[in-house]
Amino acid sequence: AQSVTQLGSHVSVSEGALVLLRCNYSSSVPPYLFWYVQYPNQGLQLLLKYTSAATLVKGINGFEAEFKKSETSFHLTKPSAHMSDAAEYFCAVSAAYSGGGADGLTFGKGTHLIIQP
Amino acid sequence: SAVISQKPSRDICQRGTSLTIQCQVDSQVTMMFWYRQQPGQSLTLIATANQGSEATYESGFVIDKFPISRPNLTFSTLTVSNMSPEDSSIYLCSVEVPGTGYGYTFGSGTRLTVV
Repeated sequence: AQSVTQLGSHVSVSEGALVLLRCNYSSSVPPYLFWYVQYPNQGLQLLLKYTSAATLVKGINGFEAEFKKSETSFHLTKPSAHMSDAAEYFCAVSAAYSGGGADGLTFGKGTHLIIQP
Repeated sequence: SAVISQKPSRDICQRGTSLTIQCQVDSQVTMMFWYRQQPGQSLTLIATANQGSEATYESGFVIDKFPISRPNLTFSTLTVSNMSPEDSSIYLCSVEVPGTGYGYTFGSGTRLTVV
């Protein structure tokens, strides 16, 4: 079974400051990890994913995340926040991915990112 | 990535009735996934629909309440049966197209309000 914990239901940063959104996972098998963003009244957009290749993953809009097995973490970062980054961010885990045998995703509760001008 | 068309985009329904949500994908996929997002909450997997077999339901979800059809490799429906106000949520379908590396793609969702 898999689970995801996102620390901080709300995170507030100043425009131009570092964004750090925390995600810890639990998985009985090597995990596949994802970050999604949801803007108000919109669908989910994939930011980035870890699928057992490079541990530092670069995504869209300047975001990146590092898979740390020893810490069971997959924190999302962005060096400089922009007002347009304000949204809900979800970390998710899957036990199996691609090859036609994908599992569904287990989501964290989400982190609402607020950008202060 | 795959393009998913989900219908209806929103609906307001009377309690005790049923609503069928359709999900059409522009690629053939083995697995289609249905999620629920309750107001202000995260997404929860309802079931996995595999073409040619019965859907697999997650704990807390049952076929009588959420029957699923999967008649071919590009289409699925989810029915929310005997609705109550507690069923008011956004329902989303999702697919993962093997070999594309795009991750899981989500439909735009169906916003259901039960009155």
